Amino acid sequence: DAGVTQSPTHLIKTRGQQVTLRCSPKSGHDTVSWYQQALGQGPQFIFQYYEEEERQRGNFPDRFSGHQFPNYSSELNVNALLLGDSALYLCASSPPITGLSNYGYTFGSGTRLTVV
Amino acid sequence: DQQVKQNSPSLSVQEGRISILNCDYTNSMFDYFLWYKKYPAEGPTFLISISSIKDKNEDGRFTVFLNKSAKHLSLHIVPSQPGDSAVYFCAATLADYKLSFGAGTTVTVRA
Repeated sequence: DAGVTQSPTHLIKTRGQQVTLRCSPKSGHDTVSWYQQALGQGPQFIFQYYEEEERQRGNFPDRFSGHQFPNYSSELNVNALLLGDSALYLCASSPPITGLSNYGYTFGSGTRLTVV
Repeated sequence: DQQVKQNSPSLSVQEGRISILNCDYTNSMFDYFLWYKKYPAEGPTFLISISSIKDKNEDGRFTVFLNKSAKHLSLHIVPSQPGDSAVYFCAATLADYKLSFGAGTTVTVRA
């Protein structure tokens, strides 16, 4: 059973460019969340998608946007890249009903984005 | 606004001994707390969790303690094994949506 799949695994972009990261959730999961992990820090919540809509958003500028498709896969788009956007971007998926346990949050291995 | 803090960036422990990882939080509304383990080049994997209505939860070698009055939780690993060497993240959630993570503690288990 495949877990959360993210692509690409590594990416190098130039300042000002735009980037799209992709995530396929674990089978049976319908909710996708995105996190940014800068070097030496814990993951920071970007946003969560459920039923193809953004359900909750963290403290990230509008340059960060996302999309969820009918098959529950998701994309994270970042426009006008800054050097500070260099980080590991993690996707996490969860099943329809997680209750209060959060056992359902399964993380992918991430996409390492380097902005030069 | 860092609502979850792990003040010890690293911990070195001898194989077979106890590892104690600490975590402090500021938001008293958090209703669930979790520990994740992360190896290099992998995503975080769920380790153990505890509800805010409990003060202890055990799962094999792992025990999490919650002190709500002090807004503090800890993870005990007994006995520590070489495979436990990893980065451990404390996380908290409110209403089962986003996870707020600490900065992590790197655990090294010495043979």
